[in-house]
Amino acid sequence: SSELTQDPAVSVALGQTVRITCQGDSLRIYYASWYQQKPGLAPVLVIYAKNNRPSGISDRFSGSKLGKTASLTITGAQAEDEADYYCGARDSSGNSVVFGGGTKVTVL
Amino acid sequence: QVQLQESGPGLVKPSETLSLTCVVSGGSVSSSSYYWTWIRQPPGRGLEWIGYIYNSGTTNYNPSLESRVTISGDTSNTQFTLRLTSVTAADTAVYYCARDTVGASPSFDFWGQGSLVTVSS
Repeated sequence: SSELTQDPAVSVALGQTVRITCQGDSLRIYYASWYQQKPGLAPVLVIYAKNNRPSGISDRFSGSKLGKTASLTITGAQAEDEADYYCGARDSSGNSVVFGGGTKVTVL
Repeated sequence: QVQLQESGPGLVKPSETLSLTCVVSGGSVSSSSYYWTWIRQPPGRGLEWIGYIYNSGTTNYNPSLESRVTISGDTSNTQFTLRLTSVTAADTAVYYCARDTVGASPSFDFWGQGSLVTVSS
């Protein structure tokens, strides 16, 4: 299968921790990357490979993988973390990229 | 600092060809380290990978779009172009160009601002 599945929405209290998951067969082989998207803006890379953050991305964001499930954890969520989050990964052939459907994170 | 900028018509008629160009500043489409990629996002929906050009000439496309898509580079290696033929309303989307580092995990680290293309008569 070349699909990645995400929960449509999650909420988190200000300052608490939230985990967003992404499931797919290709994740048994490849790592996922994660993107934050705010309304009207292009996505921003927040995690890639095993657990790497691009320069300028808060260390509140971390990534992990177990089996065919990848996770993005936001530790100590802030109001500015409210956004849509997408996972992406190579498909099982390694030739294409697939994205999850996205998770809307609401910070209460 | 790499910058990408999409340009092209905002309105395309059904059955015609959508064409968008991405101008790359601070990078080269000839690099063997990056996949220069097109991604789209229909209004209110998720991201869809369209395909890439690599090392100036190697291309790879989403199997669901492969029969209609062409991505090409130019001789200056500072821009690449998306052509999508026989468009329908389902092709209405914001189209992004982005840079993806070659590796086991995709890492789209630089994106254009996006170009909204509406398919309508």
